[in-house]
Amino acid sequence: AQSVTQLDSQVPVFEEAPVELRCNYSSSVSVYLFWYVQYPNQGLQLLLKYLSGSTLVKGINGFEAEFNKSQTSFHLRKPSVHISDTAEYFCAVRGPMNYGGSQGNLIFGKGTKLSVKP
Amino acid sequence: DADVTQTPRNRITKTGKRIMLECSQTKGHDRMYWYRQDPGLGLRLIYYSFDVKDINKGEISDGYSVSRQAQAKFSLSLESAIPNQTALYFCATSVEGGYTFGSGTRLTVV
Repeated sequence: AQSVTQLDSQVPVFEEAPVELRCNYSSSVSVYLFWYVQYPNQGLQLLLKYLSGSTLVKGINGFEAEFNKSQTSFHLRKPSVHISDTAEYFCAVRGPMNYGGSQGNLIFGKGTKLSVKP
Repeated sequence: DADVTQTPRNRITKTGKRIMLECSQTKGHDRMYWYRQDPGLGLRLIYYSFDVKDINKGEISDGYSVSRQAQAKFSLSLESAIPNQTALYFCATSVEGGYTFGSGTRLTVV
C-alpha cells in the first residue's frame, strides 16, 4: 500500500518569495505522483503529475516538482509566488492500475495551506 | 457539460435522514471513486468501483453505501446521517493516465 506525508500543514510566505511544499511518500511498488491545488471554496485542480521519464516535472502556474526516488520525495516549488497562489495544495500517490486491487487508488496527503502575504 | 457531474452541489440534512449523493460521468471510464474531504485530513477514500459488478470498500466506508447503476453512474448513500459526516464529498473517475474529479458536494448534517 502507498502513503503520503506532507510535512507542513501551513506555509506562510511573502509575495515574490520562493516557496517549497514538501511531500514524502512510501510504496512497495512503482509510483505515480501528483500535486493538486484547491482554491478557496472550489474543487480540485491538477497542478502537475509524474508518470515516468524526466524527474523534473513542470506544471501550470509556474510550479514544478522533482521526483527523487532515493529520498522518496516529490517536493513542489515555485520561484516567485503571487497572492493568487494562496490555496491548499495536496500531494497524492498511486501505484500502477494494472497491478489490480487497490494499488491504483489515489492516496492523498493531508494538505498544505499556502498563504501568500503582500 | 462537465466530464464528472455531482448532484446536489450543496445539501443540508437532519440527523437520522437518509441521503443520496449522485455522480455521473461522460468519460467512459470503468473506475469510479467517492472521497470525502475534511479540514486537516485531506481526501480519504470511501468506496471505489472498477466496473458495474466490482465495488470495494475504501479507508472509511462505515456509515456509507454505494450503488453502481451503470458504467456512468455511481451513487453514495448515507443511510442515517450523523453530524460527523458533514464534509465535502468528491466523485472521481480514472484511467491509467490520471483522475478526473467532480466539483464536489458540500453536505451539512445538523
